[in-house]
Amino acid sequence: AQSVTQPDIHITVSEGASLELRCNYSYGATPYLFWYVQSPGQGLQLLLKYFSGDTLVQGIKGFEAEFKRSQSSFNLRKPSVHWSDAAEYFCAVAVNRDDKIIFGKGTRLHILP
Amino acid sequence: DGGITQSPKYLFRKEGQNVTLSCEQNLNHDAMYWYRQDPGQGLRLIYYSQIVNDFQKGDIAEGYSVSREKKESFPLTVTSAQKNPTAFYLCASISGLINQPQHFGDGTRLSIL
Repeated sequence: AQSVTQPDIHITVSEGASLELRCNYSYGATPYLFWYVQSPGQGLQLLLKYFSGDTLVQGIKGFEAEFKRSQSSFNLRKPSVHWSDAAEYFCAVAVNRDDKIIFGKGTRLHILP
Repeated sequence: DGGITQSPKYLFRKEGQNVTLSCEQNLNHDAMYWYRQDPGQGLRLIYYSQIVNDFQKGDIAEGYSVSREKKESFPLTVTSAQKNPTAFYLCASISGLINQPQHFGDGTRLSIL
């Protein structure tokens, strides 16, 4: 069965520093990949998605992610974080377009002033 | 504006009581999902429905029930059989179109009195 691993439960970076959140998936074929962000007490908002084509995808709020098939990874990056980026981030994978979406356990991002 | 509405935002349940969480969407989406979120656990799928009058169990369906009588509505009942119902519950929907992500409601937080 497919699975998603986010190895970092918490990450702390200084405001203005670069950010990379890791995500690895387990599946034989290329899945559909997503990154979502969740502010406290809120639902999830889609940051970006990868279905096919260019392996570097751009999302909202200045985020990007790179799909690396050889590493089964889909890491999220941002060149310079802002205090408002403090939130929880979820990587997710779906095998078929209308299949269940499997979520990682999330990475909570803390920003130092 | 189209979206997903979950109500109430906060809900309290007494021991042995059933409670129903509402989820309504006006996005004309075919599929709807219920997730449970606990700290450090990510999102776990309770039930999902890909079409009216049909639904499937997710990974943690025990102690929950759902119905899908209308396309726009997918209520979740937390029964007295669910021994640990305190959690944040998220409803999501997705269209049948390719390349479209899940849309999420703002969640309902259920607590036991």
